[in-house]
Amino acid sequence: GESVGLHLPTLSVQEGDNSIINCAYSNSASDYFIWYKQESGKGPQFIIDIRSNMDKRQGQRVTVLLNKTVKHLSLQIAATQPGDSAVYFCAERREWAGNMLTFGGGTRLMVKP
Amino acid sequence: EAGVTQSPTHLIKTRGQQVTLRCSPISGHTSVYWYQQALGLGLQFLLWYDEGEERNRGNFPPRFSGRQFPNYSSELNVNALELEDSALYLCASSRSGRLNTEAFFGQGTRLTVV
Repeated sequence: GESVGLHLPTLSVQEGDNSIINCAYSNSASDYFIWYKQESGKGPQFIIDIRSNMDKRQGQRVTVLLNKTVKHLSLQIAATQPGDSAVYFCAERREWAGNMLTFGGGTRLMVKP
Repeated sequence: EAGVTQSPTHLIKTRGQQVTLRCSPISGHTSVYWYQQALGLGLQFLLWYDEGEERNRGNFPPRFSGRQFPNYSSELNVNALELEDSALYLCASSRSGRLNTEAFFGQGTRLTVV
């Protein structure tokens, strides 16, 4: 079936370095791709999204890249901080479907001081 | 402004019992979504309510049901609990059911079935 998946379950980076979290998707009909951050004991928090007709979108310290040719999505975090330690999920949705999201399995980001 | 609130925060039930989880959306939000997050797994879509109507449901058995009230709060009911129903149940809300609006998640209800 169609799915959104992640390449690596755990990513460990040094504080101050840049982080890149990857995600592969198979549903080419998705309209939006979204990144969520989930800290321990909390619900997921929206980070950034990108529409399927875009290649790149930047936010504060974060950049999402979308490569539709290889169906690949990435989240880049600049100058990673200890507060960035969390599990990151990619998700996809259709424009007609509100926030009925299909999530990937999650990548744990660990920031070393 | 209060975020999405869920109750209870933790719950322990026995196999075969029934459970009701509650969710209050952010004021002004009319859509409510329920997700299941089993240990070590990603989030699985359960149910979507918008303007009091069920808009869609995920691949879950009929013993998972819910409703949305006129004030847009929502309940998730699970009958005949099974051990594999143990999970974090997350509720999210958004302004509109169909437009591109951000979903805000609550902190979840941790259900343990023994």
